[in-house]
Amino acid sequence: AQTVTQSQPEMSVQEAETVTLSCTYDTSENNYYLFWYKQPPSRQMILVIRQEAYKQQNATENRFSVNFQKAAKSFSLKISDSQLGDTAMYFCAFMRLTSNFGNEKLTFGTGTRLTIIP
Amino acid sequence: EAQVTQNPRYLITVTGKKLTVTCSQNMNHEYMSWYRQDPGLGLRQIYYSMNVEVTDKGDVPEGYKVSRKEKRNFPLILESPSPNQTSLYFCASSSGVSLGNQPQHFGDGTRLSIL
Repeated sequence: AQTVTQSQPEMSVQEAETVTLSCTYDTSENNYYLFWYKQPPSRQMILVIRQEAYKQQNATENRFSVNFQKAAKSFSLKISDSQLGDTAMYFCAFMRLTSNFGNEKLTFGTGTRLTIIP
Repeated sequence: EAQVTQNPRYLITVTGKKLTVTCSQNMNHEYMSWYRQDPGLGLRQIYYSMNVEVTDKGDVPEGYKVSRKEKRNFPLILESPSPNQTSLYFCASSSGVSLGNQPQHFGDGTRLSIL
């Protein structure tokens, strides 16, 4: 079974600063996907960024980037030039890569509540 | 517009009164799933379905039922709700040819309160 750990329940940073959210995971799988989801006060689950474990290059999406360390089983999210709209709960999630169509379950961490201070 | 639609968004009810939360997707996705979100626990999978008439238990299935009679719909049924099922519920769907290439689309969530 996979587990995902987010050790920072809450964080806050000043607007325009850079912030890094940490995530570690435990799995015996070699092929898998990792995700960061954002949940603003509206409760929607919004995919922020995705990383394939077989890719060494870290994924980036505009101001969002990850630091993926496969050997250390670490998957942190860096938000650059933070904006007020980044205030949300952030969830790290794991999904194993299946060769056939199986349970595409996402295993979530407990979340980090990020507040951007004006 | 591609979307996953859940209803109702909010529901307050009493112990033992059967309820159904509906979920519908318009993307012709094979895979659908239900999660519950609780403080300090993140989201946990309740049930999932890989296609019509194919369903299976997730991590926390006790007290829930599902059905998949049509591809687009995947209702969550609480036959005899109890207070420990008070939670925020999400339905999600994705393409059958997943391999992680197609991210899961989430509904907007249903806040259930069981008194």
